[in-house]
Amino acid sequence: GAVVSQHPSRVICKSGTSVKIECRSLDFQATTMFWYRQFPKKSLMLMATSNEGSKATYEQGVEKDKFLINHASLTLSTLTVTSAHPEDSSFYICSASWGGRLSTDTQYFGPGTRLTVL
Amino acid sequence: DAKTTQPTSMDCAEGRAANLPCNHSTISGNEYVYWYRQIHSQGPQYIIHGLKNNETNEMASLIITEDRKSSTLILPHATLRDTAVYYCIVRFWGGSRLTFGEGTQLTVNP
Repeated sequence: GAVVSQHPSRVICKSGTSVKIECRSLDFQATTMFWYRQFPKKSLMLMATSNEGSKATYEQGVEKDKFLINHASLTLSTLTVTSAHPEDSSFYICSASWGGRLSTDTQYFGPGTRLTVL
Repeated sequence: DAKTTQPTSMDCAEGRAANLPCNHSTISGNEYVYWYRQIHSQGPQYIIHGLKNNETNEMASLIITEDRKSSTLILPHATLRDTAVYYCIVRFWGGSRLTFGEGTQLTVNP
């Protein structure tokens, strides 16, 4: 149980284009989803937290107009990198948790999406 | 959330137990200890978590000291596939946020 998927796993795009990454919880309803970014040989950095049906909360220094997050349902969140530039190239990882009364409040992570902007 | 300190790297022989330490001396009474691992180029994988008591599941055991200022993750019979970066994270239940440090690079050798 507790499986989270991401699509695509790898994407290469030209500078100036927008890229959408999907994150799905496959066997549970995710009340909260998170988006992280990881640069080579570095640890994960939280970008934003989103609750279903609400606007995402972005971490300091993360541009909300550049990284658009939509959490339209309890099983799907999307991250759109708008007008991507080479410095946006990174490994993007989502996670999901459910906050029910019996929840262990554990985050389960997707496999990640490798974005390369040329 | 309390800060954690982990060794940068550790080695372990295949088939032996891997004991990964974590210091969290500023942990507060209702903060949990979570362990995740990240195999190269994959998303982190949840391993185990605990509050006060020792915990065991199919992947590992978590030993938390009585004063809760440190803990040890034990992989009882390490395999080559256990080579990964292991993260010890302390957080409040319901606190949502996971703050990842640098973790411990565990290398399991044949």
